[in-house]
Amino acid sequence: DGGITQSPKYLFRKEGQNVTLSCEQNLNHDAMYWYRQDPGQGLRLIYYSQIVNDFQKGDIAEGYSVSREKKESFPLTVTSAQKNPTAFYLCASSTEMDEQYFGPGTRLTVT
Amino acid sequence: SQKIEQNSEALNIQEGKTATLTCNYTNYSPAYLQWYRQDPGRGPVFLLLIRENEKEKRKERLKVTFDTTLKQSLFHITASQPADSATYLCALDISGGSYIPTFGRGTSLIVHP
Repeated sequence: DGGITQSPKYLFRKEGQNVTLSCEQNLNHDAMYWYRQDPGQGLRLIYYSQIVNDFQKGDIAEGYSVSREKKESFPLTVTSAQKNPTAFYLCASSTEMDEQYFGPGTRLTVT
Repeated sequence: SQKIEQNSEALNIQEGKTATLTCNYTNYSPAYLQWYRQDPGRGPVFLLLIRENEKEKRKERLKVTFDTTLKQSLFHITASQPADSATYLCALDISGGSYIPTFGRGTSLIVHP
């Protein structure tokens, strides 16, 4: 089945630790995105990539980093510099000018 | 600055009625607008896309309208069912060519049996 996967579903970390969230897609999409969602809030764009080995900052990139070494993979690292990392993180992919396909999300809790 | 407004209050309706959700935007002329459904704890699921030159789009019990003069989209679910209860998000292309959608906060729909 084609789709987009994120792992793990739940992630717990201590403050000050970096953590990497996985995102993989087998839809052959060029574009991939990372969003953050807080309770009662919309999706806010962290980073996006429209082609392998290239990515751009979104609206709230501070404290996050990404890589796009393969078309299928777009991992997100939440660094210790992110002040409020506890949130629901969503990865998505799309073809150009088309709907986005979202993964199931990773709920990150930092204490 | 670009602003997308969706009613933050939940919409409560009775089963069988038509639900109407609103998406208003300012300061931009998007080439298209999308609607997504999101269930609690899950990723959004795409429902419909409507382009700026289209007035209306339908898919089964769903209908979307797009008024570029009013800068508003209406999303209708006819013959609503309790299973339609979810949060509905609108998203606009504000990137001027390379598709980077901006999402509204969503409106929660609750359909009572």
